[in-house]
Amino acid sequence: NAGVTQTPKFRILKIGQSMTLQCTQDMNHNYMYWYRQDPGMGLKLIYYSVGAGITDKGEVPNGYNVSRSTTEDFPLRLELAAPSQTSVYFCASSYPRGRGGSDTQYFGPGTRLTVL
Amino acid sequence: SQKIEQNSEALNIQEGKTATLTCNYTNYSPAYLQWYRQDPGRGPVFLLLIRENEKEKRKERLKVTFDTTLKQSLFHITASQPADSATYLCALANTNAGKSTFGDGTTLTVKP
Repeated sequence: NAGVTQTPKFRILKIGQSMTLQCTQDMNHNYMYWYRQDPGMGLKLIYYSVGAGITDKGEVPNGYNVSRSTTEDFPLRLELAAPSQTSVYFCASSYPRGRGGSDTQYFGPGTRLTVL
Repeated sequence: SQKIEQNSEALNIQEGKTATLTCNYTNYSPAYLQWYRQDPGRGPVFLLLIRENEKEKRKERLKVTFDTTLKQSLFHITASQPADSATYLCALANTNAGKSTFGDGTTLTVKP
């Protein structure tokens, strides 16, 4: 299993540009999450999904959009990039204990985004 | 509002000693708490999970305690090694779709 994969690893955007951060997991996990991590800080939840077709906002959703058309994929869309969105973005997935899983979150390697 | 606080300062200890990291929370009733390790430039890696009805969990040199009265978790690494140097994050989750709230982390440095 590859686990959680993210592309790209690095990206530089100009203010106002758009891009999609890709996330794929091959563990058949229901739950998927997007976090951002600013330097020296913890993870802030942007959006999450409990299954295909279902998404919900986290703590810091403004400026982002998500979709979940399949169990495996959970892309994060940035519209009109702003310098405040410069951060490292992590995707994660988990399988809830209530369905036989362990609630443990498995993280991807991250995407380092700079908006200039 | 919900708040999670980890050791505010970085922790430096000598090899072989026990490292103790704290995670305090307010305005939260977690169903479970997790500890993750994060190395520079990498995503967090799960270490231990402890549920609200559990007092203590162990895994090799790691021990986690969970006191819901004090609203605190302690994370211990015994016989610490330089390879244990990393940032350690605690994360709390309620039963709402497994969403977790992360602390800012504590950076541990183990000196040989």
